[in-house]
Amino acid sequence: EAGVTQSPTHLIKTRGQQVTLRCSPISGHTSVYWYQQALGLGLQFLLWYDEGEERNRGNFPPRFSGRQFPNYSSELNVNALELEDSALYLCASSSGGGAGTGELFFGEGSRLTVL
Amino acid sequence: GQQVMQIPQYQHVQEGEDFTTYCNSSTTLSNIQWYKQRPGGHPVFLIQLVKSGEVKKQKRLTFQFGEAKKNSSLHITATQTTDVGTYFCATNTDKLIFGTGTRLQVFP
Repeated sequence: EAGVTQSPTHLIKTRGQQVTLRCSPISGHTSVYWYQQALGLGLQFLLWYDEGEERNRGNFPPRFSGRQFPNYSSELNVNALELEDSALYLCASSSGGGAGTGELFFGEGSRLTVL
Repeated sequence: GQQVMQIPQYQHVQEGEDFTTYCNSSTTLSNIQWYKQRPGGHPVFLIQLVKSGEVKKQKRLTFQFGEAKKNSSLHITATQTTDVGTYFCATNTDKLIFGTGTRLQVFP
């Protein structure tokens, strides 16, 4: 069974540009979570989607947005990139039932570098 | 918003020594999850605790949820080099938030 897949794995952008990151959850999982992990730091909650709806978002500016598609895959969009957006963006999926009610399965992440 | 603090931030141990990381919250937690992230890797789920005072063991790892459900601990007995990584606790309110993490280094 395939795990959570993310693309691209690495990318380099310049300040002011826009980026789209993609995530495919484990088959049968309806919840997708996005986290930002700056180098050597912890995981900061970005967004939670379940059944196609945004259920919650973390303390990030509106230029961070996303969506979940009918097949439960998800995109994270970041507009007007800033240097401090450089980080590993992790996507995780779970079988739903509410945040934190089941284990999260993480993808390998997308490493974004903003120059 | 709710914060979950972990101590220590870093721990260096000699192989064979024990290790403990603590997770503390100012508010009552509904549950606690523990994850391990190897260097260069992604977090991997270890366990979930739900009940007050709950203790669970996985081989050399012992997980405990406090009686007041405001703290939790992960104890590793006789560490091995394969235990190297960052250990995170996580808990849900209306989102799954992660603790600050404890980075474990094991010297052979």
